Amino acid sequence: EPEVTQTPSHQVTQMGQEVILRCVPISNHLYFYWYRQILGQKVEFLVSFYNNEISEKSEIFDDQFSVERPDGSNFTLKIRSTKLEDSAMYFCASREWGLQSTEAFFGQGTRLTVV
Amino acid sequence: AQTVTQSQPEMSVQEAETVTLSCTYDTSENNYYLFWYKQPPSRQMILVIRQEAYKQQNATENRFSVNFQKAAKSFSLKISDSQLGDTAMYFCAFMKHHRGAGGTSYGKLTFGQGTILTVHP
Repeated sequence: EPEVTQTPSHQVTQMGQEVILRCVPISNHLYFYWYRQILGQKVEFLVSFYNNEISEKSEIFDDQFSVERPDGSNFTLKIRSTKLEDSAMYFCASREWGLQSTEAFFGQGTRLTVV
Repeated sequence: AQTVTQSQPEMSVQEAETVTLSCTYDTSENNYYLFWYKQPPSRQMILVIRQEAYKQQNATENRFSVNFQKAAKSFSLKISDSQLGDTAMYFCAFMKHHRGAGGTSYGKLTFGQGTILTVHP
């Protein structure tokens, strides 16, 4: 069964460093998302991406964040200068094209720890 | 903006019993979708069940069913014959109806705070 794959599963980084979280969405999907979940809290929307551009972003997604689909298969989230409060679980999700395609498929997540 | 509220931080149930998880939401939209996602200790988000707001009939998926009350903006999840594998965090989520290219909805999910469900043997 097709699945969304995220790498790495766990990333530890020093405050101020740049990190790139990687995702391989399901191959025929056209909508891509990043969500984050601070430990024990609810899942929060960061950004949606369609047709090679950001379609919607939240207040959390400030200038420190960027997304890219560099090669038609990978979908990346970059945090330029990490802060302690960026420590969270980051989930990538993808969805098929079409008005009836409502299910978002999630990856297993990347746990980011900023020290 | 939409909000989703789950008022039960934790619930527990005995194996084989039935449990109901509550969810309320607030929106001015008329067309939307509601979901229940399960997050087991492995942390992956797994879709349990979905409901289209325009459908009056409550969705069911095997042991899982919902009670969708559109006027009350309520969307509860009932788990029958609970199993140990049902132990997980459960999230209620809202999605506006997708409007297509040039529209304002590209499938963003708004989640509730989650309910930790523990099934005891």
